[in-house]
Amino acid sequence: GAVVSQHPSWVICKSGTSVKIECRSLDFQATTMFWYRQFPKQSLMLMATSNEGSKATYEQGVEKDKFLINHASLTLSTLTVTSAHPEDSSFYICSAPTSGGQSSYNEQFFGPGTRLTVL
Amino acid sequence: DAKTTQPPSMDCAEGRAANLPCNHSTISGNEYVYWYRQIHSQGPQYIIHGLKNNETNEMASLIITEDRKSSTLILPHATLRDTAVYYCIVRRSEYGNKLVFGAGTILRVKS
Repeated sequence: GAVVSQHPSWVICKSGTSVKIECRSLDFQATTMFWYRQFPKQSLMLMATSNEGSKATYEQGVEKDKFLINHASLTLSTLTVTSAHPEDSSFYICSAPTSGGQSSYNEQFFGPGTRLTVL
Repeated sequence: DAKTTQPPSMDCAEGRAANLPCNHSTISGNEYVYWYRQIHSQGPQYIIHGLKNNETNEMASLIITEDRKSSTLILPHATLRDTAVYYCIVRRSEYGNKLVFGAGTILRVKS
């Protein structure tokens, strides 16, 4: 299947600093990617939809100025957590859908996740 | 997208079939049933999806009732590595449609 990578796999930062997380589709192009956040023992929460060449679409309650998303190319989306605080500590996961040319074949492939710890 | 209901947890003996139910009584005609699983501290993994016919692949089988209001994911011979959270998601299939995750079912496979 298709492969989605994330970098870094984990990061520890001080409160007030910004952290950038990369999401890459390695063997396919993705005009759309998704960013999720997952707290311990909870399900994935969709944060935003990243669109290549246009602004991201944020879910209700997600601060767009705090979680900056840039979809620079057809294989790369980045999430920057600005002025991070301990409550931003979480597991961040990206995903990208493939398109097999038929509307029913629309799997989404997920990255391995990035563990962010803000001290 | 239609809401789904899954049991919070299930146990299964290693080597036996694991049958995970999902209710989606408000599913629309153009919505598919997707199953994903998440092993601890990893990204979710696609398992299978279907519209109205039963589906089978190398990982699992998906049985959808005739009225499409419920479905069952079947892992034919569960192993310890199948211990994970299993998510049933209903949505339209167009490219770019987002996946909204519910609480899922924690499946524990025991030896």
